Amino acid sequence: EAQVTQNPRYLITVTGKKLTVTCSQNMNHEYMSWYRQDPGLGLRQIYYSMNVEVTDKGDVPEGYKVSRKEKRNFPLILESPSPNQTSLYFCASSSGGQGPPYEQYFGPGTRLTVT
Amino acid sequence: RKEVEQDPGPFNVPEGATVAFNCTYSNSASQSFFWYRQDCRKEPKLLMSVYSSGNEDGRFTAQLNRASQYISLLIRDSKLSDSATYLCVVNSGDSSYKLIFGSGTRLLVRP
Repeated sequence: EAQVTQNPRYLITVTGKKLTVTCSQNMNHEYMSWYRQDPGLGLRQIYYSMNVEVTDKGDVPEGYKVSRKEKRNFPLILESPSPNQTSLYFCASSSGGQGPPYEQYFGPGTRLTVT
Repeated sequence: RKEVEQDPGPFNVPEGATVAFNCTYSNSASQSFFWYRQDCRKEPKLLMSVYSSGNEDGRFTAQLNRASQYISLLIRDSKLSDSATYLCVVNSGDSSYKLIFGSGTRLLVRP
């Protein structure tokens, strides 16, 4: 089954404790992206990756890191989480290629609470 | 000004009603347009792409007005299962694959 998986689905942590949210897709997609969703603000892009070893900042990259060592995986790293990073996080992927962006497939989301 | 603006709603309609949502976007260079559906606390899923000539998929019709930079979604014969948040999505207009999401319009269909 074609899918994007994220882990963990729920996480409560404390300020300053480094954490990683994993994202994996089995569709051989080139493009992957991380979003956060907050009430009234919609989905905002954190980082994206056009392909292996190619990553770039989105709209709200501060406090986050990513890596893309393999095509299927795109982990999101919070080196020193703070309460303002409490949010619902989504990973997404699409096939990319030339021309307009294709449909983005989203993971189930990770609900993060930083106390 | 937000890049993609939507009325947050909620739109509260009875079953069988016709309901329409509008969305405006600010970047005239945007070329790709979509409606995504998001159920409560779940991931967004593509509902339909929006083409220049307009397109229809069953009870759903999407229209694009480039001159006025707005997109619409019409839902006919609303079902209880249509209750969800509908996200208007446009591409950034540059060479990246970035999509810009509206905050969503919430639809509640009552029996």
